[in-house]
Amino acid sequence: DTAVSQTPKYLVTQMGNDKSIKCEQNLGHDTMYWYKQDSKKFLKIMFSYNNKELIINETVPNRFSPKSPDKAHLNLHINSLELGDSAVYFCASSQGAKAGRIQETQYFGPGTRLLVL
Amino acid sequence: AQTVTQSQPEMSVQEAETVTLSCTYDTSESDYYLFWYKQPPSRQMILVIRQEAYKQQNATENRFSVNFQKAAKSFSLKISDSQLGDAAMYFCAYRSMEYGNKLVFGAGTILRVKS
Repeated sequence: DTAVSQTPKYLVTQMGNDKSIKCEQNLGHDTMYWYKQDSKKFLKIMFSYNNKELIINETVPNRFSPKSPDKAHLNLHINSLELGDSAVYFCASSQGAKAGRIQETQYFGPGTRLLVL
Repeated sequence: AQTVTQSQPEMSVQEAETVTLSCTYDTSESDYYLFWYKQPPSRQMILVIRQEAYKQQNATENRFSVNFQKAAKSFSLKISDSQLGDAAMYFCAYRSMEYGNKLVFGAGTILRVKS
């Protein structure tokens, strides 16, 4: 069964709208991430959470707000959508610190393709 | 800040042949992880292979192996006996040992496999 899942897979919306993307992992991992892949396929970190605590916020506009209700979920809410927000958004998770050495293979969800018109 | 460079935007290989994808990175750290991810047209990011910097032995996973040159900050991926299913975008990625840190990706290399 799916280790890291995202919903929806596709999202088409108008400029100015507010939308959310949900992410869930059933791997028992402590750390979750959001990455953005732009039209040139370049992947960049947006946020990282560990046990519901924000640990990375990579100069993302404050229209983007991640929310982690528990360590298995990390949702991404986007306010006032702009054309430039069109991209594929990937959620990922990793174990986090274990026995003094960080287990950091990150497992990715299937991605959410967002198109802002 | 760390950077990752993939200098080959696109590569082609004949089925059953061997191809090497290049990756270099820049860091001042001595301990870190390096990864190769594959992204087929389905868009899914699939881990191909990983290397821990403190290990001198090059990682291998079946037909996939790496040539890790720490001093040169080079991390190339060799695919042997290429198959049509290997066609994808390949990303090299760096991960610091700093707690909770992110993956830093290269720009990717499109691999085409010819039958």
